[in-house]
Amino acid sequence: GENVEQHPSTLSVQEGDSAVIKCTYSDSASNYFPWYKQELGKGSQLIIDIRSNVGEKKDQRIAVTLNKTAKHFSLHITETQPEDSAVYFCAAGAGSYQLTFGKGTKLSVIP
Amino acid sequence: DGGITQSPKYLFRKEGQNVTLSCEQNLNHDAMYWYRQDPGQGLRLIYYSQIVNDFQKGDIAEGYSVSREKKESFPLTVTSAQKNPTAFYLCASSLGTASIEQYFGPGTRLTVT
Repeated sequence: GENVEQHPSTLSVQEGDSAVIKCTYSDSASNYFPWYKQELGKGSQLIIDIRSNVGEKKDQRIAVTLNKTAKHFSLHITETQPEDSAVYFCAAGAGSYQLTFGKGTKLSVIP
Repeated sequence: DGGITQSPKYLFRKEGQNVTLSCEQNLNHDAMYWYRQDPGQGLRLIYYSQIVNDFQKGDIAEGYSVSREKKESFPLTVTSAQKNPTAFYLCASSLGTASIEQYFGPGTRLTVT
C-alpha cells in the first residue's frame, strides 16, 4: 500500500519568512495530493491540492510543487503570518476513495 | 450553510461502554469516511462508505462499527472491544466517483477512562 512520509514534524519561522513542508510517497500510481490545515478545535481544512498532470499550483501565498519522478511534493507558504500557525497534513491518493496521510507538521509563526 | 457536522465536540465515557459518534453532511456527497488521529500520528482510516447501505473497513477497523442507512449520516460506534479508544475522531466526505477531494468535519475528542 501507499506510504507517505512528511518532514519536518515541527517548524518555526519568523513572521514574513517562508515555510516549506515536504512529503514523499511510495506508490507511483498516486495521482492526487492534497494539503490540509488543522487548527486547534477545528476540523481539517483543504487548503490546496495538486494532481499528477501538473508540476506546480499556486493560490495566493500558498503553492504546492510535485516531482513525480522523485515521488515527492512540497507545500510552500510565503510571507507567513501568525494565523498560518497550525498543523499541516499532506496526503496521497490514487484516484480511489482512500487517501494516505502524513503524520503532520506543526508550524509556528513567531510574530 | 453546507458542510459536515460532528457532535459532540467532546465526549467522555467509562471503559466498557459503547459510544456512538455522530457525523452528518448536507453536501450531497456519496462517500463518507471516519479517521482516527492520535498525537504525533497522521490520520488513519477506520471505515469508509462509497454509497448508502455499503461500507468497507479501513486500516484500523477492529473495535469499531458503522452504518450508512442515509446518505447524509455515517455514525461511528466505538465498542468496548477497542483497546485504546481515547483519540480525536474526524469524519469526512467526498463527492465520490466524481472526485476524491475530502472535506472534514470539526472532529470529536473522545476520552475513555
